Amino acid sequence: ELKVEQNPLFLSMQEGKNYTIYCNYSTTSDRLYWYRQDPGKSLESLFVLLSNGAVKQEGRLMASLDTKARLSTLHITAAVHDLSATYFCAVGSSNTGKLIFGQGTTLQVKP
Amino acid sequence: DAGITQSPRHKVTETGTPVTLRCHQTENHRYMYWYRQDPGHGLRLIHYSYGVKDTDKGEVSDGYSVSRSKTEDFLLTLESATSSQTSVYFCAISAGQSQETQYFGPGTRLLVL
Repeated sequence: ELKVEQNPLFLSMQEGKNYTIYCNYSTTSDRLYWYRQDPGKSLESLFVLLSNGAVKQEGRLMASLDTKARLSTLHITAAVHDLSATYFCAVGSSNTGKLIFGQGTTLQVKP
Repeated sequence: DAGITQSPRHKVTETGTPVTLRCHQTENHRYMYWYRQDPGHGLRLIHYSYGVKDTDKGEVSDGYSVSRSKTEDFLLTLESATSSQTSVYFCAISAGQSQETQYFGPGTRLLVL
């Protein structure tokens, strides 16, 4: 059974600091997704990582994938308050598109 | 938003009553999904569809059924709602050449009393 685990589950940080969210998964997969969710809202797609060593960056967020270690990271650079949200990673099936989600990491960035 | 709408957006119902949630898409995507979101669990797949009248179970399918009689609509039915089915329900579609991108609808908040 595929399991996806994120850590930390809650992160409180000061503006301007850097931090990394980790996403571990238990079986082989070549698709890793990162989503953002604001309170009461739907999920917004941030990154889709489709191969080992893939790295994608958008603004202050950078995601990477190591399929051999079954690990993805979401790195936050110089955090700002607007990044406060819950971040989910998910592992996908290339056959069916089904996603298995991690528990989510709630990020709180304090001014 | 990939042209996904869900209805109703909010619903309060009583235990034992049937409930149907609708997901509608406007872009002719083949794959559609129903997830539920509960605190501490992230999102979990209930059922999915890979074409008209083609559906399969997900992780948490007990107590739910689905139907897809046309490409644009994917219905989720709770035959007899229970309090444990109180949740936020999200519909999603896959897009891209190899279904590599998944977009989510706005969600339906369901409260079963």
